[in-house]
Amino acid sequence: DAKTTQPPSMDCAEGRAANLPCNHSTISGNEYVYWYRQIHSQGPQYIIHGLKNNETNEMASLIITEDRKSSTLILPHATLRDTAVYYCIVRTPQAQKLVFGQGTRLTINP
Amino acid sequence: EAQVTQNPRYLITVTGKKLTVTCSQNMNHEYMSWYRQDPGLGLRQIYYSMNVEVTDKGDVPEGYKVSRKEKRNFPLILESPSPNQTSLYFCASSLGPAGYEQYFGPGTRLTVT
Repeated sequence: DAKTTQPPSMDCAEGRAANLPCNHSTISGNEYVYWYRQIHSQGPQYIIHGLKNNETNEMASLIITEDRKSSTLILPHATLRDTAVYYCIVRTPQAQKLVFGQGTRLTINP
Repeated sequence: EAQVTQNPRYLITVTGKKLTVTCSQNMNHEYMSWYRQDPGLGLRQIYYSMNVEVTDKGDVPEGYKVSRKEKRNFPLILESPSPNQTSLYFCASSLGPAGYEQYFGPGTRLTVT
């Protein structure tokens, strides 16, 4: 399983774009990049996932580099409610479990 | 509303007293799993189930049992709880294995004294 590396914490001003990086240099060809977040001690929430093309949904955008060794989750207009721990996970679709690392604690400041 | 529910949300119990944490989903999902979350250790999978009557161990199954008699329910059973099972527990469900979008429950905070 590919290992991921994320900064332990980040700050962002409310209304600005939050860009959360993730390094996954050992990713294999059939592994996807998934992002989840956990607000306080609530259940983790799925955000987005992708294989190699950039993806966008109503919550966020996912930019994956051409060599797929890193990716960036973008929250285009961060709000205070986006304060959470964000997890970058690399898995194959057939994996039986998600492996959560320590994630990035994102704090949105007013 | 599509959701995963867990009960109870909070529980304080004593060592050795059997307990069950229930998990139910209303999305007709085939795949369900249990995780525990501990400070510094992150979320770790306890058990998972690919479908009715099909269950398998995750990374930390010791001291836990599960059953999947119905598609919607996946209870977590602690036959003889011990203090090291004090943790925050999450149930999750999805259409398929973990690569599918996982829907997590709100969590059950268990304290074993």
